[in-house]
Amino acid sequence: SQKIEQNSEALNIQEGKTATLTCNYTNYSPAYLQWYRQDPGRGPVFLLLIRENEKEKRKERLKVTFDTTLKQSLFHITASQPADSATYLCALAGGGSNYKLTFGKGTLLTVNP
Amino acid sequence: NAGVTQTPKFRILKIGQSMTLQCTQDMNHNYMYWYRQDPGMGLKLIYYSVGAGITDKGEVPNGYNVSRSTTEDFPLRLELAAPSQTSVYFCASSSRTSGGYNEQFFGPGTRLTVL
Repeated sequence: SQKIEQNSEALNIQEGKTATLTCNYTNYSPAYLQWYRQDPGRGPVFLLLIRENEKEKRKERLKVTFDTTLKQSLFHITASQPADSATYLCALAGGGSNYKLTFGKGTLLTVNP
Repeated sequence: NAGVTQTPKFRILKIGQSMTLQCTQDMNHNYMYWYRQDPGMGLKLIYYSVGAGITDKGEVPNGYNVSRSTTEDFPLRLELAAPSQTSVYFCASSSRTSGGYNEQFFGPGTRLTVL
């Protein structure tokens, strides 16, 4: 069956360092992959989308990579700040219904000052 | 633009009661979705719609029903509430452009407790 795994439930890093979050998937051929941020008590907010034919996407301090051979996406936040503390969700679209997303469980990132 | 709005924000139901969670979007999106999120878990798709008059089941549809009579509104109905339906419910919408399918916009959520 299709499976998405975000390898770390929680990640603690020091302010100024680069945070790297991992999303692995099996039994999928996703057309694209998205990353969302979710703050406590709020709905997810879209951050980045990367398509299957793209290797890397950047937006300000954020970078996402997509390796369809390894079946893995890496999400990086450079020069991290305490305000980046949140849960980050990986979501995949594919399997014939590209408008539907399947979400991972998320990684709780805490950036310590 | 208000984006995606959901009402109510919080609700406590007794076992066996029914209720409707409201969702409205003002972005003219064709695609709308209902998810539930349990603690420590990812979002699970309950129902979705690709346009007015068209709905379909997601991963966890049992105990729920939906309708989509307009582009803007996508209410979720809970019949005969059970404790297993205690969760946070999120509505979302998205569109499609020439570049493909786009990101989903989420509402603020409804926190439902069934006692």
